Amino acid sequence: GIQVEQSPPDLILQEGANSTLRCNFSDSVNNLQWFHQNPWGQLINLFYIPSGTKQNGRLSATTVATERYSLLYISSSQTTDSGVYFCAVVRGSSASKIIFGSGTRLSIRP
Amino acid sequence: EPEVTQTPSHQVTQMGQEVILRCVPISNHLYFYWYRQILGQKVEFLVSFYNNEISEKSEIFDDQFSVERPDGSNFTLKIRSTKLEDSAMYFCASTGGGRTEAFFGQGTRLTVV
Repeated sequence: GIQVEQSPPDLILQEGANSTLRCNFSDSVNNLQWFHQNPWGQLINLFYIPSGTKQNGRLSATTVATERYSLLYISSSQTTDSGVYFCAVVRGSSASKIIFGSGTRLSIRP
Repeated sequence: EPEVTQTPSHQVTQMGQEVILRCVPISNHLYFYWYRQILGQKVEFLVSFYNNEISEKSEIFDDQFSVERPDGSNFTLKIRSTKLEDSAMYFCASTGGGRTEAFFGQGTRLTVV
């Protein structure tokens, strides 16, 4: 099956810093999503980005489908950005399962 | 904005007891899923459901698990005889409307004691 690898596994930053999280996937995909898992365990949908670039406030994401990777950028980090960021992909149609990477644990220090 | 809702948010149960986790997917979605996340680990696929039957299931989804869509709105996951290792966060998700974007519920934290 398709492999999804995220890097780095852990990242500790000071408030105000910028960060880049990477997601590599081993095969072509029809969907790629980025999620933020908050301290309460909820999965917050950040981006639906099978290709191209999107921005939402301080967050932006880019997926280069032909090279099988996606990047999540967080600018001017805040302590509320802490948590685990997951990349997840779908290989086939709407009925296909979504496969998660192992996540990047981001800790923002005040 | 439409959302997937799950109940309960937390459940504590004794080993060997049956539990039913409930989900209300987004109303015009046709594909439904359950995922599990053991504390500190990645989110794992359990089962997908379409047209009132299971379309795919993982190795985790053994005979102790079952899913059902008892009416037009609810989607349930039943664990017949819970084990300590079933303790996890369980997420329901749905897709549809011509897109593969998955919408997840807020999760049910199950603790088996």
